[in-house]
Amino acid sequence: DAGVTQSPTHLIKTRGQQVTLRCSPISGHKSVSWYQQVLGQGPQFIFQYYEKEERGRGNFPDRFSARQFPNYSSELNVNALLLGDSALYLCASSSGTEMYQETQYFGPGTRLLVL
Amino acid sequence: GNSVTQMEGPVTLSEEAFLTINCTYTATGYPSLFWYVQYPGEGLQLLLKATKADDKGSNKGFEATYRKETTSFHLEKGSVQVSDSAVYFCALSSYTGANSKLTFGKGITLSVRP
Repeated sequence: DAGVTQSPTHLIKTRGQQVTLRCSPISGHKSVSWYQQVLGQGPQFIFQYYEKEERGRGNFPDRFSARQFPNYSSELNVNALLLGDSALYLCASSSGTEMYQETQYFGPGTRLLVL
Repeated sequence: GNSVTQMEGPVTLSEEAFLTINCTYTATGYPSLFWYVQYPGEGLQLLLKATKADDKGSNKGFEATYRKETTSFHLEKGSVQVSDSAVYFCALSSYTGANSKLTFGKGITLSVRP
């Protein structure tokens, strides 16, 4: 079975630009979460979606937005990019039905570099 | 709020040495606890988990026991291999509101030399 897939794998943008990252969850999973991992740190929670509804949002500015589609895939958008947005962006999928006991399965990530 | 504290790294061991990586947490309610591993250039892979006090998670020779009294979830392996070289993250998930976000520690880099 295919795992979580993310695209693109790498991206280079300049300050002020906008970027869209994409994620496809494991088949049958209805929840998608997004995390930002800055070099040398643990991942930080950005968003969680379930059945196309936002379930939670981390401490990130409004420049960050996301959505989930009827097929449960998801997009993360970041506007007005800053140098500090350079990071590995991880998508994780889970069933969405077991809440805090469930395992989140991570994709390989999209590495974003902002120049 | 929730937080996870991992011991400072990096850690360098010789092959077949015993491994302990410390992890303590602060959380409301009764969290689930996880260890994830990240190999160079890759995303995170679940290594093991425990969902209630005194549970022991195990996988690939790694073990960790959920200790509520000491709020700890230390990772151990009896004999490490070169292939275990990676970054290890301790994480917790507790149900707050309507989401089950993961809170991660900073991670620790393990290098195993032949």
